[in-house]
Amino acid sequence: GENVEQHPSTLSVQEGDSAVIKCTYSDSASNYFPWYKQELGKRPQLIIDIRSNVGEKKDQRIAVTLNKTAKHFSLHITETQPEDSAVYFCALRLPEQLTFGSGTQLTVLP
Amino acid sequence: NAGVTQTPKFQVLKTGQSMTLQCAQDMNHNSMYWYRQDPGMGLRLIYYSASEGTTDKGEVPNGYNVSRLNKREFSLRLESAAPSQTSVYFCASSEWGAEGEAFFGQGTRLTVV
Repeated sequence: GENVEQHPSTLSVQEGDSAVIKCTYSDSASNYFPWYKQELGKRPQLIIDIRSNVGEKKDQRIAVTLNKTAKHFSLHITETQPEDSAVYFCALRLPEQLTFGSGTQLTVLP
Repeated sequence: NAGVTQTPKFQVLKTGQSMTLQCAQDMNHNSMYWYRQDPGMGLRLIYYSASEGTTDKGEVPNGYNVSRLNKREFSLRLESAAPSQTSVYFCASSEWGAEGEAFFGQGTRLTVV
């Protein structure tokens, strides 16, 4: 199946700083790249997604960039807040499968 | 509108016992998935069903079976539980196709002793 590598596995930032999480993939057939946030003890929930015909998408403090040529996409969180502390997963969507990266534990330090 | 509902939320099994995890969605989605989540391993796909009547293996299918009972329901069965199957299991559903958000159930925490 499709492989997606996610880095870093853990990330600590000071409140107000920015956080960046990167994912790389191998199958160029992927055209949809969502990001999910999972708070402790809860289910993953979609926070932002990007389609292959778009290079960047923003939603308030979060943004996602996509480089299809280099086969990587990144999540950017600006002005981080304590409630941003969670595990973040990138994912790839093929018509039948949804494959996730291994996750990044983000900790925002007060 | 309940979304994706999984039962049970918690379960403890003895090695060798069997059980079925139930999942139902009310969003009229074609695709349904079963994942397991282990620390540091992310969400690994066990089985998926692209549409009613079809099921396919994912990344880690060994030791599991599935049934797509109808469009709403997708169950996961452990025939002979092993300690290595201790994990949190998530069911998810989405529209079929190359795009579209996946919605998750609340998860089942399974411990095999």
